[in-house]
Amino acid sequence: ETGVTQTPRHLVMGMTNKKSLKCEQHLGHNAMYWYKQSAKKPLELMFVYNFKEQTENNSVPSRFSPECPNSSHLFLHLHTLQPEDSALYLCASSQDGAGGPSEQYFGPGTRLTVT
Amino acid sequence: GQNIDQPTEMTATEGAIVQINCTYQTSGFNGLFWYQQHAGEAPTFLSYNVLDGLEEKGRFSSFLSRSKGYSYLLLKELQMKDSASYLCAAMDSNYQLIWGAGTKLIIKP
Repeated sequence: ETGVTQTPRHLVMGMTNKKSLKCEQHLGHNAMYWYKQSAKKPLELMFVYNFKEQTENNSVPSRFSPECPNSSHLFLHLHTLQPEDSALYLCASSQDGAGGPSEQYFGPGTRLTVT
Repeated sequence: GQNIDQPTEMTATEGAIVQINCTYQTSGFNGLFWYQQHAGEAPTFLSYNVLDGLEEKGRFSSFLSRSKGYSYLLLKELQMKDSASYLCAAMDSNYQLIWGAGTKLIIKP
């Protein structure tokens, strides 16, 4: 595998279900991100992990719970979601250095539908 | 507040030139990125500008004016495969990316 991979690519879940999204980066980067992308809206940054430490949590509801066990893997655990959470969830990675982060590399996303 | 503005949709003809504009307002500035996103696919990096001026990469060029809070992406010799959304993102003083909603570019034969 190369680049950034995400599984599953599509997910349909009920509001009472619990599911997890998985992201893996094969680029040796030290920072990973979760974004939410809704139609005709800007990308919404949800969480940032740098060297496995969470450095950003943009007021995301607690029904979204991130986990970063190492610098290559990132999970997003989902529970009791709402229909408005239906969106494309993108994972990205970058290499952070003294001059700031490099460009971000994105995975193909998980298309989530909450019924 | 921090904000990015770019047109929602543009249409151009195959073989022509198109310019996609982006204006930004951020707390501090550490550069501006352009990404391309085909429908159903991941955004892919196109360009990064931090100094004023034009950066050329083959058929694509990106321009930045820091004093005006303005950038554009110029696409030449348009091909059908250039039909995609183009995302503008500015990096603020905390190295956070502020994203625009994207410009959907439609190329007609």
